[in-house]
Amino acid sequence: ETGVTQSPTHLIKTRGQQVTLRCSSQSGHNTVSWYQQALGQGPQFIFQYYREEENGRGNFPPRFSGLQFPNYSSELNVNALELDDSALYLCASSLATGTSVKETQYFGPGTRLLVL
Amino acid sequence: GEDVEQSLFLSVREGDSSVINCTYTDSSSTYLYWYKQEPGAGLQLLTYIFSNMDMKQDQRLTVLLNKKDKHLSLRIADTQTGDSAIYFCAESIRGGSYIPTFGRGTSLIVHP
Repeated sequence: ETGVTQSPTHLIKTRGQQVTLRCSSQSGHNTVSWYQQALGQGPQFIFQYYREEENGRGNFPPRFSGLQFPNYSSELNVNALELDDSALYLCASSLATGTSVKETQYFGPGTRLLVL
Repeated sequence: GEDVEQSLFLSVREGDSSVINCTYTDSSSTYLYWYKQEPGAGLQLLTYIFSNMDMKQDQRLTVLLNKKDKHLSLRIADTQTGDSAIYFCAESIRGGSYIPTFGRGTSLIVHP
């Protein structure tokens, strides 16, 4: 158990719909990263939030957006869903102090999204 | 090519040692990680090694790093059926806010 929780565990949507996934960080962690893991692949970095601001972004289109709240929990929003968005979405929390981000990320169990 | 490469499958007998190999391309990698993912679950950090180290041992796990060849390995001693999972190698660099880049994972199958 890492202390990182995600909801929902599973979700089915249709093409064109919008989805919001949620993540609660491990206690004491102020940085949240989101990853997409397609079947048979390693996790791909979507973006990272630190102190409620985006702190880095991977190669994902703008329809992938996020939020981080004052309590450091986070949301991932995906608009105009496509079939290829079907994947396991993982959230990871870590601790950053000043300009230095601690090296260890702790992952939640993920939300499995199926787009039909 | 991929930044982090791993073989896709490894099959071992229970009680034997498993060695999972990984190669990476970024010579400025600062940290190298091994994560374990069981079916339907998220990633569990098993261990990590700083790039200025050659070896790290933690109970049944031994990590070896060859910086010259950019090769990382994970040895699991006395492999058990509960070790069956997908193992991901990942690298990160200080300038990249420590965001890890993952390989595709090695599926370890342990049979009796």
